[in-house]
Amino acid sequence: NAGVTQTPKFRILKIGQSMTLQCTQDMNHNYMYWYRQDPGMGLKLIYYSVGAGITDKGEVPNGYNVSRSTTEDFPLRLELAAPSQTSVYFCASSFNIDMSAYEQYFGPGTRLTVT
Amino acid sequence: KQEVTQIPAALSVPEGENLVLNCSFTDSAIYNLQWFRQDPGKGLTSLLLIQSSQREQTSGRLNASLDKSSGRSTLYIAASQPGDSATYLCAVNPETSGSRLTFGEGTQLTVNP
Repeated sequence: NAGVTQTPKFRILKIGQSMTLQCTQDMNHNYMYWYRQDPGMGLKLIYYSVGAGITDKGEVPNGYNVSRSTTEDFPLRLELAAPSQTSVYFCASSFNIDMSAYEQYFGPGTRLTVT
Repeated sequence: KQEVTQIPAALSVPEGENLVLNCSFTDSAIYNLQWFRQDPGKGLTSLLLIQSSQREQTSGRLNASLDKSSGRSTLYIAASQPGDSATYLCAVNPETSGSRLTFGEGTQLTVNP
């Protein structure tokens, strides 16, 4: 299993541009997440999904959009990029049943700079 | 709102020393707590997950404990090695959050040869 994969690894955007960060998992996990990590800080949740077709906002959703058309893929869309979105973005997945919560597995991250 | 604090923010120790990293959280209603390791420029690697009903988990030289009632967890690293140098993050999974982790800011550990 490749686990959780993310593309691209690095990207530089100009202010106002848009892009999509890709995330794929091959573990048949039902839950998927997008986090951002600013320098010297912990991770903050942007959006998450409990299954195909279902998404919900996390702590810092403004400026982002997501979709989940398949179990495997959970792309994150940045519209009108701003310098405040310069960060490292991590995708994660987990397998949850009922109200039990299990280990989250993380991708390697995408380092985004907006100038 | 759940808040997670890790102390110290940075720690430097000589090789071979046993050490403890601390994590505290404000709301004891959690499903589990997870400890991660993050190497510079890399993603997160899960080290240990402790369910709320458990008191501790062990993996090799690592031992994590959980005291849910007092809102505390510790990560004990025995016989530290230079390869243990990394940032260690703890994250709690609050019962009210639907598996959305709340992270601490991490402890940056340096083990000197």
